[in-house]
This record gives sequence, structure tokens and C-alpha cells, in this order.
Amino acid sequence: GAVVSQHPSRVICKSGTSVKIECRSLDFQATTMFWYRQFPKQSLMLMATSNEGSKATYEQGVEKDKFLINHASLTLSTLTVTSAHPEDSSFYICSASWGGPMDGYTFGSGTRLTVV
Amino acid sequence: SQELEQSPQSLIVQEGKNLTINCTSSKTLYGLYWYKQKYGEGLIFLMMLQKGGEEKSHEKITAKLDEKKQQSSLHITASQPSHAGIYLCGADRGNQFYFGTGTSLTVIP
Repeated sequence: GAVVSQHPSRVICKSGTSVKIECRSLDFQATTMFWYRQFPKQSLMLMATSNEGSKATYEQGVEKDKFLINHASLTLSTLTVTSAHPEDSSFYICSASWGGPMDGYTFGSGTRLTVV
Repeated sequence: SQELEQSPQSLIVQEGKNLTINCTSSKTLYGLYWYKQKYGEGLIFLMMLQKGGEEKSHEKITAKLDEKKQQSSLHITASQPSHAGIYLCGADRGNQFYFGTGTSLTVIP
């Protein structure tokens, strides 16, 4: 149980285009999902907290107009990288909590974005 | 500054050697997770520690939680090339989950 599915796993897009990444909780309802970004040889940095039915909460330094987050249902959150540039190339991963604090967090398998 | 600082940042060891990775929190730790990852790939859950003094082992990996010191350590015994990767500690802050700064491990055959 407690599976999070993330798609696509890899995407290559042209500079200036937008890319949407989906994160779905398959067997549980996730009122809150999280989006992380990772650069090579670095840790995962929390970008934003996605709350179902309300606006996402962005971490300091993350451009909310650049990284649009939509959490329209209890099982789906999407991250759209708008007007992508090569510096947006990174590994993005989502997660969801399937219970209370310390019950556990489930992570998607990640999306490797390359902007050319 | 990072809430979870890991040390060392990177580590290169000879196969068969033991090693320890530390994770220190700037805030009270109520529990801690350890993951292994390779860049561009998903996270591999290793262990979750919830109680002060708790120690868990899985195969050749042992993790301990020292709540008083707000620190956790991950120890690998007789390292193998398969242990190579990025090790991340993580903490639940009630409504958000943060990762440590990461430790990149290279094991030389």
C-alpha cells in the first residue's frame, strides 16, 4: 500500500516550452503532497507543499510563477515548469504523507527533466 | 542554513572498510529517516528511527538516534561497491518533510 506514481520518469523539452509532471497517490488520499528538486551530487531540496483545494506553499527562493503547482484532487498533484530553460534541468520528485506525523512518507520515482 | 546537516559531504572508501555518516539537526528530533539514492533515481528507504537511543540494523547498515544530541548516525560495515550512492537523512516537521544535505559515498573495489 501507500504508493505514489510519478510521470513522466524522463522528459526532454525545448527551451521556452512548459512541462507538466504528475504525482498520483494510488491507494490512499493525500491532502498534502510535496515537491522536491535535486541537482547532481546534491540533496533533495523542498520546493513547495501542495495542499488539496488551496494554494501551494512555496519555500523561500522558489519562483511560484515558474513552478506552478495544482492539487485539484486528493489523489493528484501536478508541477508545471513554465517557460523552461536549461537551468531548470534537474531531477524532480514528489512525495505524500499517508498518515499522521512519522506514519511515513511515500515518494514517487522522480522525473528527470532536460531542457535543451 | 540547513536544518539537517550531514557529514561528511562526500566519502571515498576502499571496499571492505567501515564508515559512518552523521546527521545533525538544528531542531529537536522526534524521529528520523535514512534513505539511499542515486541521482536521477528514486529513493530507497533504509530505516526510520523514532525513539531516542533506538538502533536499527539491516544487513550491513546500522543506524542510531541520539535525541539529546539531536543527531543520528548511519554506519556501514565492510562496505561494498553496491553501497555507493547518496545517503540522505530526513525529518518530519509535522507538516513538512526535509532532507539533510546529503553524503555522497564512493566505494573503490
